[in-house]
Amino acid sequence: QVQLVQSGAEVKKPGASVKVSCKASGYTFSSYGITWVRQAPGQGLEWMGWISAYTGNTNYAQKIEGRVTMTADTSTSTAYMELRSLRSDDTAVYYCTRGGGYHESDYWGQGTLVTVSS
Amino acid sequence: DIQMTQSPSSLSASVGDRVTITCRANQGINNYLAWYQQKPGKVPKLLIYAASTLQSGVPSRFSGSGSGTDFTLTISSLQPEDVATYYCQNYNSAPRTFGQGTKVEIK
Repeated sequence: QVQLVQSGAEVKKPGASVKVSCKASGYTFSSYGITWVRQAPGQGLEWMGWISAYTGNTNYAQKIEGRVTMTADTSTSTAYMELRSLRSDDTAVYYCTRGGGYHESDYWGQGTLVTVSS
Repeated sequence: DIQMTQSPSSLSASVGDRVTITCRANQGINNYLAWYQQKPGKVPKLLIYAASTLQSGVPSRFSGSGSGTDFTLTISSLQPEDVATYYCQNYNSAPRTFGQGTKVEIK
């Protein structure tokens, strides 16, 4: 069965960086993209961007472009999302999902809480 | 940028009621529209993709319709386990924005 397992919760200080991992199993990793979505406390879902696991091409939300890097390691079927220059409003649960391009997000990871606090 | 507007932002209905949520895009997105359900404290779940295709395992009381800019999610007979926030999402073009969500409660 398809599974996306994310790394554990993080607490970071403003200005720091965080890197969240997402290990996929149960399907051919390079055949799908990985999309990242975040959700601030009590708020809605925010699309962050996606990476094609086949080509490595990325597409980021304008709001965070310049601070975010998404990568995919096909040898370990693991995707990564690094966010730099963290601010308090980056505090959120970060989800990886299978999907991207003209594909919906059909499977979701369990979420990773990133807390940015001094 | 494509903007997705859902309405209503919240609703309260009785068990067995028919519930309709609408989602409007500010430009055409063909049928690249998905609906997700997020129960309190849980991970979002895909309900419908391609505007009207039910994801495997989703109860048939859920249905989707629409194309272009106007879309609808319908719950034909609301059940207690349907209490959740529902989101639409454009995946036709970037940014693949979500609607702001519709919170569904039982009256």
